[in-house]
Amino acid sequence: EAGVAQSPRYKIIEKRQSVAFWCNPISGHATLYWYQQILGQGPKLLIQFQNNGVVDDSQLPKDRFSAERLKGVDSTLKIQPAKLEDSAVYLCASSSLGLVAETQYFGPGTRLLVL
Amino acid sequence: AQSVTQLGSHVSVSEGALVLLRCNYSSSVPPYLFWYVQYPNQGLQLLLKYTTGATLVKGINGFEAEFKKSETSFHLTKPSAHMSDAAEYFCAVSVTGGGSYIPTFGRGTSLIVHP
Repeated sequence: EAGVAQSPRYKIIEKRQSVAFWCNPISGHATLYWYQQILGQGPKLLIQFQNNGVVDDSQLPKDRFSAERLKGVDSTLKIQPAKLEDSAVYLCASSSLGLVAETQYFGPGTRLLVL
Repeated sequence: AQSVTQLGSHVSVSEGALVLLRCNYSSSVPPYLFWYVQYPNQGLQLLLKYTTGATLVKGINGFEAEFKKSETSFHLTKPSAHMSDAAEYFCAVSVTGGGSYIPTFGRGTSLIVHP
Protein backbone atom coordinates (compact mmCIF):
# COMPACT_ATOMS: atom_id res chain seq x y z
CA GLU A 1 0.00 0.00 0.00
CA ALA A 2 1.47 3.34 -1.04
CA GLY A 3 1.91 5.88 1.73
CA VAL A 4 1.13 9.57 1.85
CA ALA A 5 2.98 11.42 -0.89
CA GLN A 6 4.10 15.04 -0.66
CA SER A 7 5.90 17.36 -3.02
CA PRO A 8 8.16 19.17 -3.20
CA ARG A 9 10.37 17.84 -0.41
CA TYR A 10 12.28 21.11 -0.08
CA LYS A 11 11.51 24.69 -1.04
CA ILE A 12 13.44 27.91 -0.58
CA ILE A 13 11.71 31.21 -1.31
CA GLU A 14 12.08 34.84 -0.40
CA LYS A 15 9.64 36.60 1.88
CA ARG A 16 6.52 37.95 0.19
CA GLN A 17 6.69 35.26 -2.48
CA SER A 18 4.02 32.61 -2.79
CA VAL A 19 4.44 28.85 -2.50
CA ALA A 20 2.25 25.77 -2.85
CA PHE A 21 2.54 22.28 -1.46
CA TRP A 22 0.85 19.16 -2.75
CA CYS A 23 -0.33 16.07 -0.90
CA ASN A 24 -1.77 12.78 -2.09
CA PRO A 25 -3.21 10.72 0.77
CA ILE A 26 -3.45 6.97 1.08
CA SER A 27 -6.02 5.64 -1.36
CA GLY A 28 -9.49 5.50 0.14
CA HIS A 29 -8.72 7.72 3.11
CA ALA A 30 -11.52 10.20 3.64
CA THR A 31 -9.72 12.48 6.04
CA LEU A 32 -6.72 14.64 5.25
CA TYR A 33 -4.74 16.88 7.62
CA TRP A 34 -2.15 19.60 7.12
CA TYR A 35 0.25 20.31 9.97
CA GLN A 36 2.94 22.92 10.48
CA GLN A 37 6.03 21.78 12.39
CA ILE A 38 8.36 24.59 13.40
CA LEU A 39 11.87 23.57 14.40
CA GLY A 40 11.93 22.40 18.02
CA GLN A 41 8.16 22.11 18.29
CA GLY A 42 5.54 19.47 17.75
CA PRO A 43 3.23 19.49 14.75
CA LYS A 44 0.37 21.98 14.88
CA LEU A 45 -2.80 21.19 12.98
CA LEU A 46 -3.62 23.82 10.35
CA ILE A 47 -6.64 22.28 8.65
CA GLN A 48 -8.60 19.04 8.54
CA PHE A 49 -10.66 17.89 5.55
CA GLN A 50 -13.32 15.21 5.50
CA ASN A 51 -13.63 14.24 1.82
CA ASN A 52 -13.75 17.67 0.13
CA GLY A 53 -15.23 19.56 3.08
CA VAL A 54 -13.40 21.43 5.83
CA VAL A 55 -13.90 19.98 9.31
CA ASP A 56 -11.67 22.39 11.20
CA ASP A 57 -9.51 25.30 10.08
CA SER A 58 -9.49 27.25 13.32
CA GLN A 59 -5.68 27.34 13.47
CA LEU A 60 -5.12 28.26 9.82
CA PRO A 61 -3.86 31.86 9.34
CA LYS A 62 -6.45 32.65 6.73
CA ASP A 63 -4.98 36.01 5.75
CA ARG A 64 -2.10 34.22 4.03
CA PHE A 65 -2.76 30.48 4.07
CA SER A 66 -5.31 28.64 1.97
CA ALA A 67 -5.97 24.98 1.30
CA GLU A 68 -8.25 23.00 -0.93
CA ARG A 69 -9.21 19.42 -1.61
CA LEU A 70 -11.51 19.83 -4.57
CA LYS A 71 -12.17 16.22 -5.55
CA GLY A 72 -11.81 14.75 -2.10
CA VAL A 73 -8.50 13.12 -2.92
CA ASP A 74 -5.31 15.15 -3.20
CA SER A 75 -4.87 18.54 -1.62
CA THR A 76 -2.83 21.72 -1.98
CA LEU A 77 -1.74 24.15 0.71
CA LYS A 78 -0.75 27.65 -0.38
CA ILE A 79 1.01 30.49 1.38
CA GLN A 80 0.74 33.96 -0.12
CA PRO A 81 2.64 36.06 0.77
CA ALA A 82 5.19 34.11 2.80
CA LYS A 83 6.78 35.50 5.96
CA LEU A 84 10.03 34.55 7.63
CA GLU A 85 8.12 32.85 10.44
CA ASP A 86 6.53 30.45 7.95
CA SER A 87 9.83 28.56 7.75
CA ALA A 88 8.86 25.08 8.92
CA VAL A 89 8.13 21.55 7.80
CA TYR A 90 4.63 21.13 6.42
CA LEU A 91 3.28 17.67 7.08
CA CYS A 92 0.33 16.04 5.42
CA ALA A 93 -1.45 13.12 7.04
CA SER A 94 -4.47 11.02 6.25
CA SER A 95 -6.76 8.64 8.08
CA SER A 96 -9.52 6.34 6.96
CA LEU A 97 -12.57 7.88 8.60
CA GLY A 98 -11.31 10.78 10.67
CA LEU A 99 -12.38 9.37 14.02
CA VAL A 100 -10.80 10.86 17.11
CA ALA A 101 -8.75 7.80 18.07
CA GLU A 102 -7.89 6.76 14.55
CA THR A 103 -4.29 6.34 13.43
CA GLN A 104 -3.00 9.09 11.19
CA TYR A 105 -0.49 8.24 8.48
CA PHE A 106 2.03 10.96 7.78
CA GLY A 107 3.91 11.89 4.65
CA PRO A 108 7.62 12.82 4.69
CA GLY A 109 6.85 16.54 4.77
CA THR A 110 7.89 19.60 2.79
CA ARG A 111 10.66 21.63 4.35
CA LEU A 112 10.15 25.35 3.64
CA LEU A 113 12.79 27.99 4.18
CA VAL A 114 11.75 31.62 3.79
CA LEU A 115 14.65 34.06 3.34
CA ALA B 1 -8.56 22.83 25.76
CA GLN B 2 -6.15 19.95 26.05
CA SER B 3 -2.39 20.20 26.27
CA VAL B 4 0.67 17.96 26.39
CA THR B 5 3.96 18.42 28.22
CA GLN B 6 7.00 16.33 27.41
CA LEU B 7 9.64 16.58 30.09
CA GLY B 8 13.12 16.84 28.65
CA SER B 9 13.86 17.91 25.11
CA HIS B 10 16.73 15.40 24.98
CA VAL B 11 17.18 12.03 26.65
CA SER B 12 20.47 10.18 26.38
CA VAL B 13 20.88 6.48 27.16
CA SER B 14 23.40 3.75 26.54
CA GLU B 15 22.59 0.88 24.24
CA GLY B 16 20.85 -1.83 26.28
CA ALA B 17 19.67 0.58 28.97
CA LEU B 18 16.09 1.37 29.92
CA VAL B 19 14.35 4.07 27.89
CA LEU B 20 11.89 6.34 29.70
CA LEU B 21 10.27 9.28 27.90
CA ARG B 22 7.86 11.33 29.97
CA CYS B 23 4.52 12.75 28.88
CA ASN B 24 1.90 14.53 30.95
CA TYR B 25 -1.38 15.75 29.58
CA SER B 26 -4.14 18.12 30.57
CA SER B 27 -7.72 17.45 29.55
CA SER B 28 -11.14 18.09 31.05
CA VAL B 29 -12.59 15.00 29.38
CA PRO B 30 -11.27 11.46 28.94
CA PRO B 31 -8.36 11.66 26.51
CA TYR B 32 -7.07 9.54 23.72
CA LEU B 33 -3.28 9.39 23.92
CA PHE B 34 -0.66 8.63 21.31
CA TRP B 35 3.08 8.25 20.92
CA TYR B 36 4.62 8.91 17.50
CA VAL B 37 8.23 8.48 16.38
CA GLN B 38 9.94 10.58 13.73
CA TYR B 39 13.16 9.40 12.14
CA PRO B 40 15.35 11.96 10.33
CA ASN B 41 13.79 13.25 7.13
CA GLN B 42 10.73 11.07 7.56
CA GLY B 43 7.14 11.65 8.60
CA LEU B 44 5.70 10.65 11.94
CA GLN B 45 4.86 7.01 12.56
CA LEU B 46 2.48 5.75 15.23
CA LEU B 47 4.18 3.75 17.99
CA LEU B 48 1.13 3.08 20.14
CA LYS B 49 -2.12 4.60 21.34
CA TYR B 50 -4.48 4.46 24.29
CA THR B 51 -8.21 4.69 23.66
CA THR B 52 -10.11 2.77 26.34
CA GLY B 53 -9.67 -0.43 28.33
CA ALA B 54 -6.30 -1.76 29.40
CA THR B 55 -4.10 1.04 30.66
CA LEU B 56 -0.84 -0.65 29.65
CA VAL B 57 -0.47 -0.35 25.92
CA LYS B 58 2.10 -2.24 23.87
CA GLY B 59 3.36 -0.86 20.62
CA ILE B 60 5.84 -1.57 17.88
CA ASN B 61 9.58 -2.09 18.32
CA GLY B 62 9.23 -3.19 21.95
CA PHE B 63 7.83 0.08 23.27
CA GLU B 64 4.99 0.33 25.75
CA ALA B 65 3.22 3.07 27.68
CA GLU B 66 0.94 3.16 30.68
CA PHE B 67 -2.02 5.49 31.06
CA LYS B 68 -2.20 6.75 34.65
CA LYS B 69 -5.25 8.90 35.12
CA SER B 70 -4.38 9.90 38.69
CA GLU B 71 -1.03 11.24 37.51
CA THR B 72 -2.31 12.50 34.12
CA SER B 73 0.66 10.73 32.57
CA PHE B 74 1.39 8.51 29.60
CA HIS B 75 5.11 7.74 29.83
CA LEU B 76 6.82 5.69 27.12
CA THR B 77 9.25 2.93 28.06
CA LYS B 78 11.42 0.28 26.46
CA PRO B 79 13.43 -2.19 28.55
CA SER B 80 16.53 -2.17 26.36
CA ALA B 81 17.54 0.62 23.98
CA HIS B 82 18.85 -0.13 20.52
CA MET B 83 20.88 2.16 18.33
CA SER B 84 18.02 2.20 15.82
CA ASP B 85 15.73 3.77 18.46
CA ALA B 86 17.51 7.11 18.08
CA ALA B 87 14.81 9.48 16.84
CA GLU B 88 12.38 12.20 17.88
CA TYR B 89 9.39 11.05 19.92
CA PHE B 90 6.12 12.95 20.18
CA CYS B 91 3.30 12.49 22.64
CA ALA B 92 -0.15 13.61 21.49
CA VAL B 93 -3.66 13.89 22.90
CA SER B 94 -7.07 14.06 21.26
CA VAL B 95 -10.48 14.57 22.80
CA THR B 96 -13.97 14.36 21.44
CA GLY B 97 -16.54 17.09 21.53
CA GLY B 98 -18.07 19.77 19.38
CA GLY B 99 -18.24 17.61 16.29
CA SER B 100 -14.52 17.80 15.60
CA TYR B 101 -11.26 17.44 17.41
CA ILE B 102 -7.79 18.92 17.19
CA PRO B 103 -4.92 16.54 17.95
CA THR B 104 -2.42 18.34 20.18
CA PHE B 105 1.23 17.33 20.07
CA GLY B 106 3.98 17.89 22.61
CA ARG B 107 7.24 19.56 21.69
CA GLY B 108 9.00 16.25 21.26
CA THR B 109 11.88 14.45 22.97
CA SER B 110 15.01 13.56 21.09
CA LEU B 111 16.31 10.13 22.11
CA ILE B 112 20.06 9.71 21.81
CA VAL B 113 21.49 6.21 22.11
CA HIS B 114 25.19 5.76 22.86
CA PRO B 115 27.10 2.60 21.95
